[in-house]
Order: sequence, then C-alpha cells, then structure tokens
Amino acid sequence: GQQLNQSPQSMFIQEGEDVSMNCTSSSIFNTWLWYKQDPGEGPVLLIALYKAGELTSNGRLTAQFGITRKDSFLNISASIPSDVGIYFCAGQLSSGSRLTFGEGTQLTVNP
Amino acid sequence: DTEVTQTPKHLVMGMTNKKSLKCEQHMGHRAMYWYKQKAKKPPELMFVYSYEKLSINESVPSRFSPECPNSSLLNLHLHALQPEDSALYLCASSPLVAGASYEQYFGPGTRLTVT
Repeated sequence: GQQLNQSPQSMFIQEGEDVSMNCTSSSIFNTWLWYKQDPGEGPVLLIALYKAGELTSNGRLTAQFGITRKDSFLNISASIPSDVGIYFCAGQLSSGSRLTFGEGTQLTVNP
Repeated sequence: DTEVTQTPKHLVMGMTNKKSLKCEQHMGHRAMYWYKQKAKKPPELMFVYSYEKLSINESVPSRFSPECPNSSLLNLHLHALQPEDSALYLCASSPLVAGASYEQYFGPGTRLTVT
C-alpha cells in the first residue's frame, strides 16, 4: 500500500525561527493536504495543493506540491507560540478515496 | 462555513453498553468519513460513505456499525467494545465529484473511553 514518510518527527525551535517539514511518498498523489492538530481536537486544514509544482501560501505558511507528485513540503515563517501542535501531511488520489497520512511532525515553540 | 460538528465531545462506556456517535455537516458534501485516532498517531480510516452509501469499510470489527441517515448526518453505533477501542473518533466530510480531488474537513472528535 501507499506510505508517506514525514520528517522531521519532532522539532524544538525558538519563537521567531522558520520551520520546514516535508513528506515523501512511494507513489503519486493528485492532492496534498496539510493539517494542524491541537491536543484533543480534530485536524484543521491549513493548505490544499492540487497541481504538481503548485506553491500556495496561507499567512505565514507556504506549501508546495512536488513536481514528481510524490512529495510536498510545508514552511512556517517567524514561528509564534500558537504554532505548537502536530502537523500532518496527507495525500489523496481522488475525492471519496482514502487519505494517506504521514506520521506527523510535533512542533514545540519556546517563547 | 466549513464546520463539521460531532456529539458527544466525551463518552465513557462499559464493555456491555450500546452507544452512538453523531456527526453533522451542512456544507452539501456528499462524502463522509469515520476515522479512529490514537494519541500522537495519524487518523486511521474506518468507513467512507459516498452519496449516503457505504463505499469503503477498512475491515472494521462488527462492533462498530456506521449509518448515514441522510446527506448531512453520519452515525457510528457502538456495541460490546473493548478497552483497546478507546481513542479519538473523528468524522470528516468532503465534496464528491468524479475524477476530482477535494479537501476533507474534520470535526472536533469524540473522545471515547471504554472501561
């Protein structure tokens, strides 16, 4: 089956630093999604990517859909304490099909 | 509005109880999903409903029984659960267009504890 490798597994950074995380897949996807999850809550969609090579921003967040359709990265600029949480990437082939999730990146931001 | 609501927020049940989890969305989405999530792990897909019909069952034990009464509602009926079924249960929905791909929106989850 499809597998997603997400790295790093965890990050400890100082407030104000930039953050980068990525996901790679053994097979292609048609959609890449990035979610953030706070403890005890559901994942919240941050960015959705639909085209190979697409670069999309949402405030301080920027994500890219890799040209090969097998990878994606998420950057967070000028991190703040509320960026703390677990970030998941997810790939999907088509609507109504399963999402394949990465294992998550646990982000800790020290004030 | 991209809201998916779930009730209850927390549920504690014994192994002989029968309970139900409820999910609702009013975004006109025709695909709805149940996921199970253990702490610090990604969500695991359980069921997918497309146009109110069960389209994917990820070999989930029969003690979990999904139901989609209409296009806005999704239920998960629970019976004779085991302690290892304790987890966060997430509902999600997405638009459904053949050949297209759309983002899934998650609800806040139900924290289930089986005693």
